[in-house]
Amino acid sequence: GAGVSQSPSNKVTEKGKDVELRCDPISGHTALYWYRQSLGQGLEFLIYFQGNSAPDKSGLPSDRFSAERTGGSVSTLTIQRTQQEDSAVYLCASSLPTGLAGGKQETQYFGPGTRLLVL
Amino acid sequence: AQKVTQAQTEISVVEKEDVTLDCVYETRDTTYYLFWYKQPPSGELVFLIRRNSFDEQNEISGRYSWNFQKSTSSFNFTITASQVVDSAVYFCALSDSGGSYIPTFGRGTSLIVHP
Repeated sequence: GAGVSQSPSNKVTEKGKDVELRCDPISGHTALYWYRQSLGQGLEFLIYFQGNSAPDKSGLPSDRFSAERTGGSVSTLTIQRTQQEDSAVYLCASSLPTGLAGGKQETQYFGPGTRLLVL
Repeated sequence: AQKVTQAQTEISVVEKEDVTLDCVYETRDTTYYLFWYKQPPSGELVFLIRRNSFDEQNEISGRYSWNFQKSTSSFNFTITASQVVDSAVYFCALSDSGGSYIPTFGRGTSLIVHP
C-alpha cells in the first residue's frame, strides 16, 4: 500500500517568507508526527497529532511554527517569517496506535521528507 | 528524562565484514520502547525493529541482529557480512512515559561499506 507522502520534496525560499509543508499519512493511521532533521543531526520532535485530541505542540521551537491536521488525515506544517536556521529536512511520520500511552510508542512510518533551504 | 547516545559518528568497513552499531539509553521508566531505523541516502527513514523493555530476548533477522541488555542500558545492532547496500545512517530511538512517549532519537551512526 501507499506509504507516507510529503510535498514538496524540496523548497527554496527567501528569508522572511512563509512556507507550507504537506504530509499525507498512511491511510487509517490516526497518529501523525512532524520532526526536523538538521544536517548531521538526529531527529528533533516538533508536534504530534492523535485523532481528535489536542495536538502535543511541546516540540515547536517558536511561535513562527504551527501545524494543523484537517479531517484527521492530511497535515500542514507552516513556518512563518522563515529564518536561515530553519533550513533542514522536515520529516513526517504516521502510526496506528493500538495500546497504552496514546499509542505514542507505536512504530512510526516515515515519509521521504521535505528539504527546506532558506536563503 | 530520556536520552539516547550513539557514540559512533561514522563507521567505515569493507564489504563482508561484521559491524556493530552501539546504542546506550537513559530512562527512569521501567516501561519503555526501543527502536532502530535506517536512513539510506534517499533520506526516508526505514523502520527496522521495535523492542519493549520487558522483552530482553535478542532478535535475529537475516544478517541483522540486536542485543538488548538492560543491565548496561544498551540496545546494540549488528550487521553480519555487511554489503554496500547497508551504507546508511542508522538511528536508535527510545520512547518512555517521561517524554510522554514521544521518541527521542540518537544522533545517528553513519555506516559506510566499501566494496
